[in-house]
Amino acid sequence: AQTVTQSQPEMSVQEAETVTLSCTYDTSESDYYLFWYKQPPSRQMILVIRQEAYKQQNATENRFSVNFQKAAKSFSLKISDSQLGDAAMYFCVNWEGAQKLVFGQGTRLTINP
Amino acid sequence: DVKVTQSSRYLVKRTGEKVFLECVQDMDHENMFWYRQDPGLGLRLIYFSYDVKMKEKGDIPEGYSVSREKKERFSLILESASTNQTSMYLCASSLARGGTYEQYFGPGTRLTVT
Repeated sequence: AQTVTQSQPEMSVQEAETVTLSCTYDTSESDYYLFWYKQPPSRQMILVIRQEAYKQQNATENRFSVNFQKAAKSFSLKISDSQLGDAAMYFCVNWEGAQKLVFGQGTRLTINP
Repeated sequence: DVKVTQSSRYLVKRTGEKVFLECVQDMDHENMFWYRQDPGLGLRLIYFSYDVKMKEKGDIPEGYSVSREKKERFSLILESASTNQTSMYLCASSLARGGTYEQYFGPGTRLTVT
């Protein structure tokens, strides 16, 4: 079975600083997608960023970027210039095929003012 | 914008009751999913459906069933609720083709079984 591991249950960062959330995954697929989803407190889960495995270039979305290391099966999320609104649970997710997603355990990010 | 709605945000039921959780999406997505979310475990897939009247078991289907009579609506049924089914339940939908496999989520239903 495919797995996604987030080894940091909780992290905190000062407002305006940079933080990196770690993720490793295991897959037998050669072509797949990876995602970071964000779940703010009492609000809906939303997509932050996606990475296609066949693309070598790391995805970026404004202050959010990833470091995709395919050989190492590592997919970390970097948040630059952290804002109070970034406080949330973050999930690393692998597309397993057959329309299914596999979720990591989540990392709760706290932003300190 | 894709909109996925769930019938209740909070629900309290007694052990042994039959429980229905409803999910509706308005973007004509073929695929719909039910997950449960527990602390430290992330999201685990209960059932999914890729078409009307079609369903597939996910990773933890025991104690649950589903129904999809219309494309936009996907129901999760707890035939006889038990305390270990106390959890947050999330519904999601996605395109079957031409997309990037992104799933769109509802707000969740926090179910407590006493």
